[in-house]
Amino acid sequence: GESVGLHLPTLSVQEGDNSIINCAYSNSASDYFIWYKQESGKGPQFIIDIRSNMDKRQGQRVTVLLNKTVKHLSLQIAATQPGDSAVYFCAENTGGYNKLIFGAGTRLAVHP
Amino acid sequence: GAVVSQHPSRVICKSGTSVKIECRSLDFQATTMFWYRQFPKQSLMLMATSNEGSKATYEQGVEKDKFLINHASLTLSTLTVTSAHPEDSSFYICSARSQGMGNQPQHFGDGTRLSIL
Repeated sequence: GESVGLHLPTLSVQEGDNSIINCAYSNSASDYFIWYKQESGKGPQFIIDIRSNMDKRQGQRVTVLLNKTVKHLSLQIAATQPGDSAVYFCAENTGGYNKLIFGAGTRLAVHP
Repeated sequence: GAVVSQHPSRVICKSGTSVKIECRSLDFQATTMFWYRQFPKQSLMLMATSNEGSKATYEQGVEKDKFLINHASLTLSTLTVTSAHPEDSSFYICSARSQGMGNQPQHFGDGTRLSIL
């Protein structure tokens, strides 16, 4: 289930299940969105991106959905594995120079 | 491809010391690099945008004289935390965006954990 922790919301899933991580973005003018995965003590790792002229994009085991009407982004991870345990951030590109604004993050905990 | 290297990974030093952090793009050229700060269990906060050959652009509330940025080449940007104090202790992360048409994702280094005693 999903719960709100002291700082980061946490999504707990069983290994093998599908995970859905949600993100609400702030700027209706944002034209590019990225999902990053951050493991403890490391920098964010690029997972998948999507441009505002698309509403869905698929990668290997991951799918990003974009709903511009309600400014909502989601990341779906199929057949979640223990190695997927990390904090996931959405980021929106706003303004020039591809300046990114990061969401608050969601911790994904995968249980065997 | 698109590897960003950050050095050092960890620094522990006394209050008043200045600390330099390097960010290198190893296999691509980056006209723009970004510096972020991250507190425990929080998101990344953009500090400044580093542009090769010109002055950095700082976000509101970030002191440019405190956090000196130099982007001397297309593969190297440095952040110097001057006269660091305990409140400057944090996880500092850089990113670089490769040159190219249209939107390109930022690629991140593995961060520098700065601890000021």
